[in-house]
Amino acid sequence: DQQVKQNSPSLSVQEGRISILNCDYTNSMFDYFLWYKKYPAEGPTFLISISSIKDKNEDGRFTVFLNKSAKHLSLHIVPSQPGDSAVYFCAASAGNTGKLIFGQGTTLQVKP
Amino acid sequence: GAVVSQHPSWVICKSGTSVKIECRSLDFQATTMFWYRQFPKQSLMLMATSNEGSKATYEQGVEKDKFLINHASLTLSTLTVTSAHPEDSSFYICSAEAWLAGGETQYFGPGTRLLVL
Repeated sequence: DQQVKQNSPSLSVQEGRISILNCDYTNSMFDYFLWYKKYPAEGPTFLISISSIKDKNEDGRFTVFLNKSAKHLSLHIVPSQPGDSAVYFCAASAGNTGKLIFGQGTTLQVKP
Repeated sequence: GAVVSQHPSWVICKSGTSVKIECRSLDFQATTMFWYRQFPKQSLMLMATSNEGSKATYEQGVEKDKFLINHASLTLSTLTVTSAHPEDSSFYICSAEAWLAGGETQYFGPGTRLLVL
């Protein structure tokens, strides 16, 4: 039972353009969402998060949008840079457990 | 920012031996740490929640007698893979909870690659 889904295993964009990574979830109890960036053989690096009481959070080039009614969130990266090429995981948690449920990840390739 | 370290970064061992992996929060205290494992080209799967001063909580399907977790201090949690077998070969990652910038976030260690021969 995949509670957090990233249906696009890969995405390729041109440098300078916008990258949009999508994530869907099924558990309505999730109230906190995070995006992580991961390189092979390394631990994930925290990028940005959003609470369920908000629908948008912005940090520099990264913006996360949350649509609770659709149980959907997305990460926008503008402008995309070659250094952004990595695997991006969305994760969700419910209540105060702190336990994160991860999606399968989306491999982003930004071409120069 | 919050820094989490893991040691060792990689280990190769013979089948039947035990391997200990350390997870440290370097610049903050963490009452709760988490252990994950990741198989190639798959997502991170939560194994257990490690609470300082109490027993770890294991996810369904994770053998607590095989994956021993000890959270002895607010900056250190250890995962011991006992009697390791080739199927235990994986990438093990820990994370620690930190309250920064008004939000609770998990910060991850760099991971430990375990290969059991």
